[in-house]
Formats: sequence, C-alpha cells, structure tokens
Amino acid sequence: GAGVSQSPSNKVTEKGKDVELRCDPISGHTALYWYRQRLGQGLEFLIYFQGNSAPDKSGLPSDRFSAERTGESVSTLTIQRTQQEDSAVYLCASSRGPETQYFGPGTRLLVL
Amino acid sequence: KNEVEQSPQNLTAQEGEFITINCSYSVGISALHWLQQHPGGGIVSLFMLSSGKKKHGRLIATINIQEKHSSLHITASHPRDSAVYICAVQTGANSKLTFGKGITLSVRP
Repeated sequence: GAGVSQSPSNKVTEKGKDVELRCDPISGHTALYWYRQRLGQGLEFLIYFQGNSAPDKSGLPSDRFSAERTGESVSTLTIQRTQQEDSAVYLCASSRGPETQYFGPGTRLLVL
Repeated sequence: KNEVEQSPQNLTAQEGEFITINCSYSVGISALHWLQQHPGGGIVSLFMLSSGKKKHGRLIATINIQEKHSSLHITASHPRDSAVYICAVQTGANSKLTFGKGITLSVRP
C-alpha cells in the first residue's frame, strides 16, 4: 500500500514569500505529525493532529507558521513571509493511534 | 540538557562487527523509538518499545525503564547499515516525538 507522501519534494523560494507544503498520510491513520530538520541538526517537532484538530501546536516556531488538516486526511503546513532560517527539510509522519509513526520523504525548503 | 542523549556521536566500525548505540533520556515516557535515516534523508522506523527487548533480523533493541536507558545493537554489521540512528521518546499516547541528535554510523567493508 501507499506510504506517506509529501509535495513538493523540493521548494526554492525568495525571502518574504509564502509557501504551502502538503502531506498525504497513510489512509486510516488518525494521527499526523509535522517535524522539521535544519541542516546538520536533529529533528524537531512542529505540530500534531488527531483527526482534524491540533491538540499540540507547541512546536510551531512563530505565528508565521500554521497548519490545517481536512477530512482526517491531507494536511498543509503554511509558512508566511518566509525567512532564511526557515530553510530545512519538513517531514510529515502519520500513525494509527499510539503506534509506529511512518515518515514521508520530506519537502526540502530553501529560502534565498 | 537535552531530554534525549545519544552516544557516541559518531561511530565507525568494520564490516562484521557487533555494534551498540546508546540512548539515555531524562523524562517519563510511554514509548521509545529507534529510527534510521539514510544519506538520502528518508526516515524508517526500526523499533517502538516500552519495555524489554525487541528483535528484527540483525537488529536488537532493549530498554531499561528504571535506568531510563535504551540500546540498539547491530549484529554482523554490513556497509549498508551505514546511516544515522536516531532515538526518540514519546511521553504520552499519540504525543509528539522528542528526538536525540542521532548517531552517524559508518561501516567499512
């Protein structure tokens, strides 16, 4: 079956532009997570969805970051007025409840 | 101090060697995860465990809840095992993962 997919795989944007990243979780997975990995650094949590609600947004670094999930399926992570420090790989993961998380391939974002 | 500490930071081994990677954590957890990240960046979940020991092929993961410590063992290591191994903890059901910085393993032929 299909795994977690993310799009685009790569995104280059200019400082100040908005970007939208998409995650398609595994069908039937109610939990969805967004993580970020900056170059040479470890993974950091951004936001968690259970169904369409987000009980934990504690990792979002600023109000320029927002995310939504619709239909207990697709999620989009939006970064407004991008800054160079937003450059990173943005990873999405999904799970069926309190079980193993399955990671997508990530979106590589470069802000020039 | 990070909630999740991994050691050593970098590890080089010869093909065939037995390898141990360690992870210590400082918070109460519901589960601990071992992840593998290959140079292309893809992340694969190896184990999720909350007690005892799990084995999958040449990989063995153990956890000691009282000592807040976990180990990942690789038997008969192979160059294709070269990757970054990441330990992550979960503090509640369906909660976020908190990650260690990862250990870069290089297995030489």
